[in-house]
Amino acid sequence: DAKTTQPNSMESNEEEPVHLPCNHSTISGTDYIHWYRQLPSQGPEYVIHGLTSNVNNRMASLAIAEDRKSSTLILHRATLRDAAVYYCILRSRGSGNTGKLIFGQGTTLQVKP
Amino acid sequence: DAGVTQSPTHLIKTRGQHVTLRCSPISGHKSVSWYQQVLGQGPQFIFQYYEKEERGRGNFPDRFSARQFPNYSSELNVNALLLGDSALYLCASSLRDIGGYTFGSGTRLTVV
Repeated sequence: DAKTTQPNSMESNEEEPVHLPCNHSTISGTDYIHWYRQLPSQGPEYVIHGLTSNVNNRMASLAIAEDRKSSTLILHRATLRDAAVYYCILRSRGSGNTGKLIFGQGTTLQVKP
Repeated sequence: DAGVTQSPTHLIKTRGQHVTLRCSPISGHKSVSWYQQVLGQGPQFIFQYYEKEERGRGNFPDRFSARQFPNYSSELNVNALLLGDSALYLCASSLRDIGGYTFGSGTRLTVV
């Protein structure tokens, strides 16, 4: 299984953009890049996913490097409610997909008022 | 639409006992996965079921078992509970191979 590497923690000020990096140098061609976040005392929440092109949704943007060996989750204006652990995960698509998500330690994001 | 629902929300069991945790996926989702999250760590994959068949199994002992019913709901069973089984057990559902997973809020199991 391809692994991801994220910083343990990051800090941001409220209403400022946040860029959360993720390295995945062993990514394969069939791996999608998924981001989840987990707020205290809750289950993980799906944020966004992508394959090759940058993606935007109401929660965030995902910027994927041209060689796909890294990606960045972008929160355009951090709020206090965005304080959470953010996980970058590779999910393989195809008939062999077992649905297995491999969570690392993630990045703990602190948002300061 | 209702999200992924898990029951019970909290549970206290004694070592050696058996426990059954239940999960109802989002309507239309045929895939259900189970994860264990020990305090301070990321979730660890236990099982995935799709159309009532086991499609994936994580590195957990045979004391852990699961099944999926015709209505796509699922049960996770753990026998001979150990103190180390104390954790948050999460259920997630998805449309196979499409999009992301939706997680429930979990069942907090405490083994004493």
